[in-house]
Amino acid sequence: ETGVTQTPRHLVMGMTNKKSLKCEQHLGHNAMYWYKQSAKKPLELMFVYSLEERVENNSVPSRFSPECPNSSHLFLHLHTLQPEDSALYLCASSLRGGRDGYTFGSGTRLTVV
Amino acid sequence: AQSVTQLDSQVPVFEEAPVELRCNYSSSVSVYLFWYVQYPNQGLQLLLKYLSGSTLVKGINGFEAEFNKSQTSFHLRKPSVHISDTAEYFCAVRNNNAGNMLTFGGGTRLMVKP
Repeated sequence: ETGVTQTPRHLVMGMTNKKSLKCEQHLGHNAMYWYKQSAKKPLELMFVYSLEERVENNSVPSRFSPECPNSSHLFLHLHTLQPEDSALYLCASSLRGGRDGYTFGSGTRLTVV
Repeated sequence: AQSVTQLDSQVPVFEEAPVELRCNYSSSVSVYLFWYVQYPNQGLQLLLKYLSGSTLVKGINGFEAEFNKSQTSFHLRKPSVHISDTAEYFCAVRNNNAGNMLTFGGGTRLMVKP
């Protein structure tokens, strides 16, 4: 247990479904991140929230919608996904300043069918 | 913009042999440097970090890394690997002028064979 908890661990969804990924941390961090990790591809930064404000959005399709209601929780809302969106979605948190690097959750393995 | 290059996508090695995983970065300013390990179906776990001071950094699981400013490198080493070290290893750099952002390398898969 790293201190960053992601649920669910596995998710299978159809292309017309709507689902949400949840990330929670109680490390006192004030920045949170979503990454996508696909097979044989580098880690892709999707979204960054710092002090609950979105500060980075790396041209992610609108079918991915992040939400950060407070500094401890981060969501990724999913709708009308494509099979190529199947991947491991990783959440991370850090303190602003980043001297200690990021703490990652275990990820959600998403399969779009 | 900074970048991180991990030259080897895969490194096969026999158990109890030494290993070095290479990482080079490009940045014109001071940086923080990190190595992470990822076991199958898990997130990334911090192995070690360099912030300042001694250029030789020791981490968990017997790993160490050496910061070389002139060569802009931060190679990861272990004198004797175990089967359990089989995993993906990621080098990451934080440019001290770039806010919180870490830039990750493409990863190196370490495969330890019996």
